[in-house]
Amino acid sequence: QKEVEQNSGPLSVPEGAIASLNCTYSDRGSQSFFWYRQYSGKSPELIMFIYSNGDKEDGRFTAQLNKASQYVSLLIRDSQPSDSATYLCAVDTGFQKLVFGTGTRLLVSP
Amino acid sequence: EAQVTQNPRYLITVTGKKLTVTCSQNMNHEYMSWYRQDPGLGLRQIYYSMNVEVTDKGDVPEGYKVSRKEKRNFPLILESPSPNQTSLYFCASSLSNSPEPEFFGPGTRLTVL
Repeated sequence: QKEVEQNSGPLSVPEGAIASLNCTYSDRGSQSFFWYRQYSGKSPELIMFIYSNGDKEDGRFTAQLNKASQYVSLLIRDSQPSDSATYLCAVDTGFQKLVFGTGTRLLVSP
Repeated sequence: EAQVTQNPRYLITVTGKKLTVTCSQNMNHEYMSWYRQDPGLGLRQIYYSMNVEVTDKGDVPEGYKVSRKEKRNFPLILESPSPNQTSLYFCASSLSNSPEPEFFGPGTRLTVL
């Protein structure tokens, strides 16, 4: 079992819809969770982080964490074509180790 | 402008020819790291450094060396490159000593023939 798993997609949503991106992780001791966005041919950029169970909102983005079920998700409201990118989930498993998922490709159609 | 720079951006080389990929940040960040990104495998950490003269192995350190003589620079050295090191490499930095990169460099696409 991979340490951090994401569906590779592509996840296709129409403009204005909510995009829901999911990530599961295997290490129950993980404390910190991060979402990065990577446009094609570009480097990743940090867009959200969450440490506590529940929801964390930042503009159109909401990160959700459920440690009991070992999943973290990213919701993008009012999706725009400019949101089309690959979204990487990353989990801090402790001991200075950050494990990345392979990413979910999101396509937002006009 | 706050940034992480890498050079070169693209490199084609041959097996066994030593090379260095430079990385520099202008944000006075303490934590720097190197990742490689391969299709289906995602981003994997090669080495990281929590401060000057402090470096440690990540998940895939074999075949790589690093040094951190100055806070701003963190070069990646491939002493004897092999074809399995063909990849996209990213340098990253963050202010705190937490491992999550805040800033990534633009990437170096390396091909080893």
